[in-house]
Amino acid sequence: DSGVTQTPKHLITATGQRVTLRCSPRSGDLSVYWYQQSLDQGLQFLIQYYNGEERAKGNILERFSAQQFPDLHSELNLSSLELGDSALYFCASSVAPGDTDTQYFGPGTRLTVL
Amino acid sequence: GESVGLHLPTLSVQEGDNSIINCAYSNSASDYFIWYKQESGKGPQFIIDIRSNMDKRQGQRVTVLLNKTVKHLSLQIAATQPGDSAVYFCAEREDSSYKLIFGSGTRLLVRP
Repeated sequence: DSGVTQTPKHLITATGQRVTLRCSPRSGDLSVYWYQQSLDQGLQFLIQYYNGEERAKGNILERFSAQQFPDLHSELNLSSLELGDSALYFCASSVAPGDTDTQYFGPGTRLTVL
Repeated sequence: GESVGLHLPTLSVQEGDNSIINCAYSNSASDYFIWYKQESGKGPQFIIDIRSNMDKRQGQRVTVLLNKTVKHLSLQIAATQPGDSAVYFCAEREDSSYKLIFGSGTRLLVRP
């Protein structure tokens, strides 16, 4: 158990809908990262937050957004869902984006868009 | 759980043998490298890391080797056990950003 929690574990929804994925980082970690893992594209970095502020952005679609709250939990919002958005979504956390940045991953949320 | 990356390269080893998983990274500016293990239905689990000013680092039953000249990273697992069966990912971090770039992964199968 990495100490990172994610909810829900599974999510099934329809195209065009909007969903929110939630992540709680490890105790003491200030930085949160979101990744998407699909069968054909592996693990793709989406976005990073540090202490409430966006720090880095990767291959995140405009239909997706995220935020980190004062209690350091983070939410990833996915809207206008398409079939291709079906994937595993992982959250990771680290103490701070520093010299060595070991990221600890949560168990993931499996999103299925029908 | 559903398998990740059904068409991943696969390394099959006999239980008790040593395993070597290789990874070619892309960016010569990367300064930090990590190996992750991902079991079916779970998130990636940190195994070992290495900074670019080192060429070797050892952990418990694992060793990471870094060759910056050819941008190659390897993970050696000693006395491979059935519990080592998983998909292994290498990841690199550029020194100018905080995001990790993951390789496509290698599936390790341990034969009893």
